[in-house]
Amino acid sequence: DAKTTQPTSMDCAEGRAANLPCNHSTISGNEYVYWYRQIHSQGPQYIIHGLKNNETNEMASLIITEDRKSSTLILPHATLRDTAVYYCIASNFGNEKLTFGTGTRLTIIP
Amino acid sequence: GAVVSQHPSWVICKSGTSVKIECRSLDFQATTMFWYRQFPKQSLMLMATSNEGSKATYEQGVEKDKFLINHASLTLSTLTVTSAHPEDSSFYICSALGDRGQDTQYFGPGTRLTVL
Repeated sequence: DAKTTQPTSMDCAEGRAANLPCNHSTISGNEYVYWYRQIHSQGPQYIIHGLKNNETNEMASLIITEDRKSSTLILPHATLRDTAVYYCIASNFGNEKLTFGTGTRLTIIP
Repeated sequence: GAVVSQHPSWVICKSGTSVKIECRSLDFQATTMFWYRQFPKQSLMLMATSNEGSKATYEQGVEKDKFLINHASLTLSTLTVTSAHPEDSSFYICSALGDRGQDTQYFGPGTRLTVL
């Protein structure tokens, strides 16, 4: 898996969009960008993944730069329940092995 | 869909005993399951990968004789921590890779093991 770099922590006001950046400058052509989050004392929750096109689902949007060296996860209307550690992972399709970094601790502020 | 369960959610045991943790995919068949371990304030670390009907593949530094993994069916994998010691106390999390597209791992809720 390519190495990813994320800010250690971020704050976001409740109701605003939370934009979480991730750098993956060494990502290879067949590696996808996966996002998971982990709420305290729970297993990670899958959010979204993409290869090169922007993706959107009911939870979030994923914006991947054209050169694929970075991406941004967008939570459009953050709620207090979105407070968690967010992990950005670059991995091959089928992600046979996920390498978790330290992630970004997102705190939603009332 | 894509629900993974673990049992038990927490367990306390005495040093020297063995503990079995179950991981089940509830609404899909999981050809591959993974076991992770997470110590306090740290990230998840992959311990091993198990494929149904074959031996598990362990990550470097993980003792296969201590952490026994059995993937007996397409919906069940078990992790047995043998002769547990206090340093084995951790949060154990499994994930499952489904048979639909096989492009996403879904995680269980985790099992907190405390060895006294």
